[in-house]
Formats: sequence, C-alpha cells, structure tokens
Amino acid sequence: GESVGLHLPTLSVQEGDNSIINCAYSNSASDYFIWYKQESGKGPQFIIDIRSNMDKRQGQRVTVLLNKTVKHLSLQIAATQPGDSAVYFCAENTGGFKTIFGAGTRLFVKA
Amino acid sequence: ETGVTQTPRHLVMGMTNKKSLKCEQHLGHNAMYWYKQSAKKPLELMFVYNFKEQTENNSVPSRFSPECPNSSHLFLHLHTLQPEDSALYLCASSQANGANYGYTFGSGTRLTVV
Repeated sequence: GESVGLHLPTLSVQEGDNSIINCAYSNSASDYFIWYKQESGKGPQFIIDIRSNMDKRQGQRVTVLLNKTVKHLSLQIAATQPGDSAVYFCAENTGGFKTIFGAGTRLFVKA
Repeated sequence: ETGVTQTPRHLVMGMTNKKSLKCEQHLGHNAMYWYKQSAKKPLELMFVYNFKEQTENNSVPSRFSPECPNSSHLFLHLHTLQPEDSALYLCASSQANGANYGYTFGSGTRLTVV
C-alpha cells in the first residue's frame, strides 16, 4: 500500500553543521514530493518540492534529492541554524488531491 | 500569518457539546483541506473541497461534518466527539490539486475533548 516513512524520528546537529533528513516512499507512481517544516505551535510550512522528472533541486540553504531507483527522498540543510529546529515532514502525491505525509523527523540544533 | 487563518486556536469541549472550527483563506486558492494531527501519527487527511465541492471524505466518522460555503471558507462541525478525537486540526489550501502545488496550512485548532 501507499506509505511514506522517515528513517530517523530525531536528529541532533551542531549549529553550523549540515543536516540531512531522510525519507522513504513506497508508491512508485508518486510524481510530486514536498518537504514541510513544522515549528511548535504552527502548522506545517512548505519548504521545497521536486517532481519525479528531477533528481535534485536547490533552494536557499536547502537541497532536496530524489532517488527513484530506491524510492528515497532527502532534505539537506546547509549551515544549520537554531531557527531550523522543528519537525520536518516529507509528503508524496500521485496525482489529484490526496497527499500522503510521513511521520516526521524532529531536528534539534545545538548551539 | 500564512494566509490561512483558523479559529479558535484552542477549544475544550465536552462529549455532548456541539462546536465548529473555522478556516479562512484569502490566497485565491480553490482547494481546501481538513487534516487531523495526533501525537506520533502522520497527518491524516479528513476532507477535501475543490471549488466548494467535496472531493474526498477519508472515511471520517459522521460526528465530523464539513461545510464549504465558498472557496475561501471551510468549517468543521463537531458533535458528540470522543476523547480520542483530541488532536490538532489543521486546515490547508492549495492553488490546484496537490499534484502540482504544495499546501498552505493554518496554525491549527488544538481540540481537547473531555
């Protein structure tokens, strides 16, 4: 069945280091992937997306990598800052209105 | 503010109460969604509306009743809820369906059923 899962429930990194958050998906028909960030007391916030015809997309300090061969998605955050502390969700869409979210990874940034 | 506003932010209700959650967006989006977020669970899709028409009901119990009077407003009417319905209820909107655009979420309503 469809599922989106995260390899690590928590990740702790030192301020200034790079962070890598991983996600596995099982539906090979998924063609649109999104990363969201959720800070305490707020709803999820769109960070970056990628379509299945791409394997890499860069934003400001963030990069998303897509490996369709192994159905793996990752979010890289460069020079992690305290403000990056949050829960990060990957999500997949196979078309239409049904987007499936992963369980989330909590990122802690140590000063 | 994200452009999606949810009220109230917090709600405590008894199992016999009737209450409503409200969501409003002024982003010009045509699709609106209700999601439930429980501790340690992925976000669960509840309902989807596209141009005021319901396109998804993800096997949600009838004690949750959505209403979408126009593309900018979405309600979730609650009645005879159970304690296990306590959760964060998130509203989201998107320009079109989720296959092409990400969602803009509100800050949610933290619901506690006592």
